[in-house]
Amino acid sequence: GIQVEQSPPDLILQEGANSTLRCNFSDSVNNLQWFHQNPWGQLINLFYIPSGTKQNGRLSATTVATERYSLLYISSSQTTDSGVYFCAVVSGGKLIFGQGTELSVKP
Amino acid sequence: EADIYQTPRYLVIGTGKKITLECSQTMGHDKMYWYQQDPGMELHLIHYSYGVNSTEKGDLSSESTVSRIRTEHFPLTLESARPSHTSQYLCASSEHPTDTQYFGPGTRLTVL
Repeated sequence: GIQVEQSPPDLILQEGANSTLRCNFSDSVNNLQWFHQNPWGQLINLFYIPSGTKQNGRLSATTVATERYSLLYISSSQTTDSGVYFCAVVSGGKLIFGQGTELSVKP
Repeated sequence: EADIYQTPRYLVIGTGKKITLECSQTMGHDKMYWYQQDPGMELHLIHYSYGVNSTEKGDLSSESTVSRIRTEHFPLTLESARPSHTSQYLCASSEHPTDTQYFGPGTRLTVL
């Protein structure tokens, strides 16, 4: 089945810094989502982005479907950005998750 | 934001008890899902449903069972809880045609 790999696995930032998270997938997809899991365990939808670029405030995402990767950009990071970021792709009607990137933003 | 609800949010229970985790959504989505997630780990699909009276097992084997009698309701039941069932359980539903999934707040289950 399709493989989803995220990097880096862990990231520590100083408040105000920028970061880029990467998601590679092993096959063509029609759906790719980015999620943020907060410290209370809830998964928050960030982007539905099967291709192209989207922006939402300090966050933006780009998916290059032909090269099978997606990037999540976080600018001017804040402590509330801490948590785990997952990308996930739909394959066979099911959402396949990467292992996540754990982000810690220090004040 | 998505209207998908889970109860209880936290549950501590003794071994051998029967439990039901509730999940409901008000978006009219046909597809619903249950995931299991251990702390700091990835999510694993344990059950899904494509509509009323449709249920399927996911990629991770689970001793739980589910039912889908109404579109908006997708409860998960453990007949006899064990400490190995301690985990977080996340319910989701997805919209047509993109299959974009929306998640509930989760239930953290601890079996003593």
